[in-house]
Amino acid sequence: DTEVTQTPKHLVMGMTNKKSLKCEQHMGHRAMYWYKQKAKKPPELMFVYSYEKLSINESVPSRFSPECPNSSLLNLHLHALQPEDSALYLCASSQVPQGTVEAFFGQGTRLTVV
Amino acid sequence: GQNIDQPTEMTATEGAIVQINCTYQTSGFNGLFWYQQHAGEAPTFLSYNVLDGLEEKGRFSSFLSRSKGYSYLLLKELQMKDSASYLCAGLMNTGFQKLVFGTGTRLLVSP
Repeated sequence: DTEVTQTPKHLVMGMTNKKSLKCEQHMGHRAMYWYKQKAKKPPELMFVYSYEKLSINESVPSRFSPECPNSSLLNLHLHALQPEDSALYLCASSQVPQGTVEAFFGQGTRLTVV
Repeated sequence: GQNIDQPTEMTATEGAIVQINCTYQTSGFNGLFWYQQHAGEAPTFLSYNVLDGLEEKGRFSSFLSRSKGYSYLLLKELQMKDSASYLCAGLMNTGFQKLVFGTGTRLLVSP
């Protein structure tokens, strides 16, 4: 199983809503990542979890709150988002914190904030 | 800085060869990945270079020159399904290793 599974695939939310994005992998990877990708742009790193601990926060606004309940799961809690937060949110995992091994990406959640 | 630059778009014909270039700033550089991304889908791994030289994998090859801060992805015998975005990503060590993506190149393969 070389899959990273993200749910939901699509999400539309209002600016006052609270929602969560979920990511799951069963490859035994100990590093998991959240990326944000706007249309026709490359993915931008948001957060890195290494052995279930937050290692990197790329100065992401607090309206995005990551959580890693265990080594297989990664959540991204969303609250009071802005329309400019609409994007494709990609989860990825790798065997160890990004080193000489590839990162596997999920299919992403396409988020629209209205 | 960690600027990683690629051409925005390229076009090529089915059966041809295309080379997609990537330049990066060498400070903190530890290796270079190439990913393919079809519209609306996740990026998928193509190759990884850490040493200078050419890595060949079927129809795809990737080259790295660390001293020049330069890499390219070579696609041979192009097929229509190769139409996608190609992302080079530098493994950068800024106190913690992280993958930084280039601007991406949209490749259109025509019959």
